Amino acid sequence: NAGVMQNPRHLVRRRGQEARLRCSPMKGHSHVYWYRQLPEEGLKFMVYLQKENIIDESGMPKERFSAEFPKEGPSILRIQQVVRGDSAAYFCASSPGIGPYGYTFGSGTRLTVV
Amino acid sequence: SQQGEEDPQALSIQEGENATMNCSYKTSINNLQWYRQNSGRGLVHLILIRSNEREKHSGRLRVTLDTSKKSSSLLITASRAADTASYFCATDEDTGRRALTFGSGTRLQVQP
Repeated sequence: NAGVMQNPRHLVRRRGQEARLRCSPMKGHSHVYWYRQLPEEGLKFMVYLQKENIIDESGMPKERFSAEFPKEGPSILRIQQVVRGDSAAYFCASSPGIGPYGYTFGSGTRLTVV
Repeated sequence: SQQGEEDPQALSIQEGENATMNCSYKTSINNLQWYRQNSGRGLVHLILIRSNEREKHSGRLRVTLDTSKKSSSLLITASRAADTASYFCATDEDTGRRALTFGSGTRLQVQP
């Protein structure tokens, strides 16, 4: 039973390009969360999604960032027109639902903007 | 300051010693969780303690929760070099926010 799968593991983009980060939740999990982590810092919440619905996007910048979790396929975090400040590790986590559940995290995507 | 602040920021101990990390938070919570992160890896869930619980054990881990002080502690007994990692507390807030809020972490170094 594979855990949370994120790809790519590393992504290099030039300023102004688009970055697409993918996350397949753990089997049986319908709740997906995206977090961003800067070096030596904690995780900052970005967005929480269920299938076809964005539940909470309060941590996501209003511009250039978007997320989706379609009925079929992985969740996608999309960053348009990347800037150097977008360089970070982006982690996806999943859980089976609301309640006293721990999250299962993926290994993250390390985005470097050059 | 932010929800879920760990103390100390960094801790260095010798193998065999106990390591204690503390976490303070600001809002009412449903539960509090501790996670571990090895360098360059994703987080791994260690233990969850509900708001109506005061103490919980899992192997060499002991977690306490004091909701009156809005604080929690993680104790790792008989530490090993393999315990070297960053440890984060995360709160499930009772505020309508439906995602965990993570602290900034404690970086633990266990010297062999």
